[in-house]
Amino acid sequence: DGGITQSPKYLFRKEGQNVTLSCEQNLNHDAMYWYRQDPGQGLRLIYYSQIVNDFQKGDIAEGYSVSREKKESFPLTVTSAQKNPTAFYLCASSYSTGGWGTDTQYFGPGTRLTVL
Amino acid sequence: KNEVEQSPQNLTAQEGEFITINCSYSVGISALHWLQQHPGGGIVSLFMLSSGKKKHGRLIATINIQEKHSSLHITASHPRDSAVYICAPLGNQFYFGTGTSLTVIP
Repeated sequence: DGGITQSPKYLFRKEGQNVTLSCEQNLNHDAMYWYRQDPGQGLRLIYYSQIVNDFQKGDIAEGYSVSREKKESFPLTVTSAQKNPTAFYLCASSYSTGGWGTDTQYFGPGTRLTVL
Repeated sequence: KNEVEQSPQNLTAQEGEFITINCSYSVGISALHWLQQHPGGGIVSLFMLSSGKKKHGRLIATINIQEKHSSLHITASHPRDSAVYICAPLGNQFYFGTGTSLTVIP
């Protein structure tokens, strides 16, 4: 089955620790995205990548880092510099590389990160 | 400031009712997405449209670019339609509404 997987579903970390969230897709999509969702707020874009070895900051990139060494994988690291890391994190992918949003985005199931 | 406004924020309907969710936006856009988020958090893209109307099963989405307004309609609603529906206009970036929480009661 094709799709996007995120792991783990729930993640707990102590304050001050870096943590990496996994996102893998086998849809052969070029573009991948990371979003953050907080209660009562819309999704906010953290980072996106339109091609391997290239990525761009979104609206709220501070305190986060990403890599795109493989087409299938786009891991997100939440660093200790992120002031409010507790949130629901969603990964997505799409075919389009001509400008994101021009094609349907497929979302992963999400990872709920809680920093204690 | 909110570039995207959805209404209503919360909606409870009886099974079988016709449902309308509205989305107004203030930015110039090239397309608009409607997303469905289930209670577990997973998101499914329902529609992407840039003009007119699209229909998929019991779901219909319309958009009026000039009036900067889109609507999502659900005909013959069912409890499995219970979810949060998110409007996401695309301008020079994605904007996301805060969602409409729909509960359909049997």
